[in-house]
Amino acid sequence: DAGITQSPRHKVTETGTPVTLRCHQTENHRYMYWYRQDPGHGLRLIHYSYGVKDTDKGEVSDGYSVSRSKTEDFLLTLESATSSQTSVYFCAISDGTSSGNTIYFGEGSWLTVV
Amino acid sequence: KQEVTQIPAALSVPEGENLVLNCSFTDSAIYNLQWFRQDPGKGLTSLLLIQSSQREQTSGRLNASLDKSSGRSTLYIAASQPGDSATYLCAVSGTGNQFYFGTGTSLTVIP
Repeated sequence: DAGITQSPRHKVTETGTPVTLRCHQTENHRYMYWYRQDPGHGLRLIHYSYGVKDTDKGEVSDGYSVSRSKTEDFLLTLESATSSQTSVYFCAISDGTSSGNTIYFGEGSWLTVV
Repeated sequence: KQEVTQIPAALSVPEGENLVLNCSFTDSAIYNLQWFRQDPGKGLTSLLLIQSSQREQTSGRLNASLDKSSGRSTLYIAASQPGDSATYLCAVSGTGNQFYFGTGTSLTVIP
């Protein structure tokens, strides 16, 4: 199994509060991703990173920000949580070699905004 | 934009049956295709990776095929078991290290 750790694994928070999810990898992979998974929508990309301090938006980035200050850590922040951000959040990594590119997933973080 | 479709959304089969799951994609310019398994409340586990230059990959009772020109992949599961019950997702990788996922097929194998 790829060394990916997400924290917290479960969180309940109130509307309007900031929330930060952490992804830590031990594989030294260049690319890191944050996805959310919702019934009927599948996996949707929020943000991704292609190196330290290099990030870009995905298809559902509104209301989210990310930071990557070290290769191994990728943080996802909900600036002011809303009920629509209740979801399962998955961190993923890939090494970035186009021919053999495999994506590996963490175990997920379940977030409930009440 | 790449679109990935998996049909059917759900499938129920009796134990021991061989089955095929389907994945189709709209843009044939892919680097590879991956099949994943997801158990309820869990993350995605990679099952098979097929490079764009390959036609198929096998792992145990699983066989995945890829026809890039027609934008199709199949996952064949032989002699299904109740432990195979899960959601199966496919994903294609394209330029910019982007991955595009289907919404999955939920498989139930009935003992």
